[in-house]
Amino acid sequence: AQSVTQPDIHITVSEGASLELRCNYSYGATPYLFWYVQSPGQGLQLLLKYFSGDTLVQGIKGFEAEFKRSQSSFNLRKPSVHWSDAAEYFCAVGAGPKYNQGGKLIFGQGTELSVKP
Amino acid sequence: KAGVTQTPRYLIKTRGQQVTLSCSPISGHRSVSWYQQTPGQGLQFLFEYFSETQRNKGNFPGRFSGRQFSNSRSEMNVSTLELGDSALYLCASSPRTGGYEQYFGPGTRLTVT
Repeated sequence: AQSVTQPDIHITVSEGASLELRCNYSYGATPYLFWYVQSPGQGLQLLLKYFSGDTLVQGIKGFEAEFKRSQSSFNLRKPSVHWSDAAEYFCAVGAGPKYNQGGKLIFGQGTELSVKP
Repeated sequence: KAGVTQTPRYLIKTRGQQVTLSCSPISGHRSVSWYQQTPGQGLQFLFEYFSETQRNKGNFPGRFSGRQFSNSRSEMNVSTLELGDSALYLCASSPRTGGYEQYFGPGTRLTVT
């Protein structure tokens, strides 16, 4: 079955420290991969996406993610965290048009990020 | 471009009632997907419409239905509401169907009492 796992439910980092959020997926083929961020009471904002090509992708707000096919992972990183980065982060996968799944995205359970001053 | 808009933002209903939620996608986007978000189950896909056709449906009972209009605006309907339907309902639009990036609205918070 298709699934997305975010092993860390909650992470706390100090402001200015580096950040890595983990995401592993289980899929029949290389899916389309996304990271979203959600602030309390808000919708989801797209941080970055990966379809193919360069395995290191840059996103908004200084975030980047690296696709590792051998590990079925798509981890999100940021070199220096700001207090405003505190939010919940979701990894998601889409099947791509070849698999006739329509627009369905499968989401991980989310990782809540707290930032210490 | 204006983002995805959802109305209403908040809704309180009683068990057994029905509810209709509305979503206006980003201009030019023809795909609209709906998701239910709850603390226990997380984000779950309800259905997707593209050019007025339902392209995929998640594992939800038939009480959950939707439609899309010719201007790409979409509505979802939940009939015979249950307490467990209390959730944040998120709409997302995309310029294309097929698992590509989606842009989310702020959601409708539905509370069933």
